[in-house]
Amino acid sequence: NAGVTQTPKFRVLKTGQSMTLLCAQDMNHEYMYWYRQDPGMGLRLIHYSVGEGTTAKGEVPDGYNVSRLKKQNFLLGLESAAPSQTSVYFCASSYLGHEQYFGPGTRLTVT
Amino acid sequence: KNQVEQSPQSLIILEGKNCTLQCNYTVSPFSNLRWYKQDTGRGPVSLTIMTFSENTKSNGRYTATLDADTKQSSLHITASQLSDSASYICVVSRYILTGGGNKLTFGTGTQLKVEL
Repeated sequence: NAGVTQTPKFRVLKTGQSMTLLCAQDMNHEYMYWYRQDPGMGLRLIHYSVGEGTTAKGEVPDGYNVSRLKKQNFLLGLESAAPSQTSVYFCASSYLGHEQYFGPGTRLTVT
Repeated sequence: KNQVEQSPQSLIILEGKNCTLQCNYTVSPFSNLRWYKQDTGRGPVSLTIMTFSENTKSNGRYTATLDADTKQSSLHITASQLSDSASYICVVSRYILTGGGNKLTFGTGTQLKVEL
């Protein structure tokens, strides 16, 4: 039982490049979330999903897209990376709205 | 505005000592309050979850309190260990009246360092 895993762990992008972050969970959770964590700020919700095939915007969705084609996977895409998207990205999952289990994070730097 | 404020921002204590971290919130309507521990370079891990009717909850050496009237919570760590060095994040969940579900508001965390 691996819990929540994230790929990759680190990535450096140039401005304008695109990439996809992958989140996988093996707990059969319906709900999945993508957050970003910046120095001096609390975690902020980017997008979330309450089930396979459904996604919704969170607090800071601009510049990001997501897809939930399979229940166990939640993908976060950056179409044209900007330096403001330099951050640590965390994925989480939960059984409905209960306790959230977080992945180890992806550290992204955009130069 | 829904906000969660934590104090102190950082704290250094000697191993074996106790400490208390504070959390004040203005989130409404309140659903529950959670404390997470986040080790450097790792994701947050849940320590406690308290609903409106619970005013104390323990998890080993961690004891959380909640005063829903004053909208304050504290996390007390007893007999600290080096492994307690981490960021402790207070998170308040509120009900979403239209559409249902809950929304989390995260504090910025208290950075605790335990030294020999």
